[in-house]
Amino acid sequence: AQTVTQSQPEMSVQEAETVTLSCTYDTSESNYYLFWYKQPPSRQMILVIRQEAYKQQNATENRFSVNFQKAAKSFSLKISDSQLGDTAMYFCAFMKPNSGNTPLVFGKGTRLSVIA
Amino acid sequence: DTAVSQTPKYLVTQMGNDKSIKCEQNLGHDTMYWYKQDSKKFLKIMFSYNNKELIINETVPNRFSPKSPDKAHLNLHINSLELGDSAVYFCASSPTGGWNTIYFGEGSWLTVV
Repeated sequence: AQTVTQSQPEMSVQEAETVTLSCTYDTSESNYYLFWYKQPPSRQMILVIRQEAYKQQNATENRFSVNFQKAAKSFSLKISDSQLGDTAMYFCAFMKPNSGNTPLVFGKGTRLSVIA
Repeated sequence: DTAVSQTPKYLVTQMGNDKSIKCEQNLGHDTMYWYKQDSKKFLKIMFSYNNKELIINETVPNRFSPKSPDKAHLNLHINSLELGDSAVYFCASSPTGGWNTIYFGEGSWLTVV
């Protein structure tokens, strides 16, 4: 079974600074998908960024980028120029490539606080 | 315009009652899910349906019964509610094939008193 570990329960960062959230996972699959979801106080689950394991290039979405190290089974999220609106729980998630019904396996989350 | 919508958003009910949470998606996806987020914020899959057929049923008490009348709807009925059922329940959907990104509803916050 796949597992996802987020070793930092809580983190804080000053506004405009850069922060990196860690995620490691365990799988025997060679191809899979990785995701970061953001959950603000509103509880809505918002997709931040995603990565396909067979792509070596790290995904980037505006201020959000990942450092995907397949051999190390590591998938960290970097947030640049942190903004107050980035304050949220961040969940790393793993998905096997599908037959149409593969659920996400989530880590336990990292609570990020952006401080003015 | 909401892609995955679930109702009600908030629900407070007494132990022993039966309640339902409804979910609808307008994304044309084939697969729908129910996830439970407990008080420690841990998200765990409960059920997965593909084209109205139950695919995944994790270790969930049989007081929980999902129903999918069509592939755009997946409702969750809970019988004999217990205090431990208090949680946020998320409905979600994903397409078949290609990028299987899962899109979530806004969650239904259930409190059992």
